Amino acid sequence: DQQVKQNSPSLSVQEGRISILNCDYTNSMFDYFLWYKKYPAEGPTFLISISSIKDKNEDGRFTVFLNKSAKHLSLHIVPSQPGDSAVYFCAASEEGSQGNLIFGKGTKLSVKP
Amino acid sequence: DAGITQSPRHKVTETGTPVTLRCHQTENHRYMYWYRQDPGHGLRLIHYSYGVKDTDKGEVSDGYSVSRSKTEDFLLTLESATSSQTSVYFCAISGNPPTGANYGYTFGSGTRLTVV
Repeated sequence: DQQVKQNSPSLSVQEGRISILNCDYTNSMFDYFLWYKKYPAEGPTFLISISSIKDKNEDGRFTVFLNKSAKHLSLHIVPSQPGDSAVYFCAASEEGSQGNLIFGKGTKLSVKP
Repeated sequence: DAGITQSPRHKVTETGTPVTLRCHQTENHRYMYWYRQDPGHGLRLIHYSYGVKDTDKGEVSDGYSVSRSKTEDFLLTLESATSSQTSVYFCAISGNPPTGANYGYTFGSGTRLTVV
């Protein structure tokens, strides 16, 4: 059964507007959450992370929000740029799991000029 | 660059043949991972290593074996390739498990494997 779910396979947003990518999880033992960005023919690259003891982490245009009670996190990109067009993966790690990350299926973001 | 390279970048092989993919790192990281990426499945962990000669299975380990005889190299072997193993394979490296805000993997560029 999927422990990390990204229910939207794709998202299209106009340049300059906000992009919101969502992720749900089922394992209450997850203690660290990360977002990765992937361009075609390249490996995923780390974008931003959040510990379960926080509810928000911000890095420039990227903000991740964590709602532990709802087992939900979201990535906000403001303002969106055409270069943000990529596949975004949500990932989670459980304490004591040797750092193994469980990934969602990804959401393909298209930012239109 | 991040100091992780995968070889080969592309490979076509026949069903039933053995295949070995190589991941090489220059970061002296303890942890190394092999993932596969398939449409509709995202990234799934095959095997991982937490030190030289220390390896363990991931979510989709059937049909795969790994070896790590030195810190810098992590090999993934398909003993007898099948069409279901056609995929893009990514290697990743990591320092110690999460201890701060910079935790995360560094991924290689991937190996596209086609089994015909």
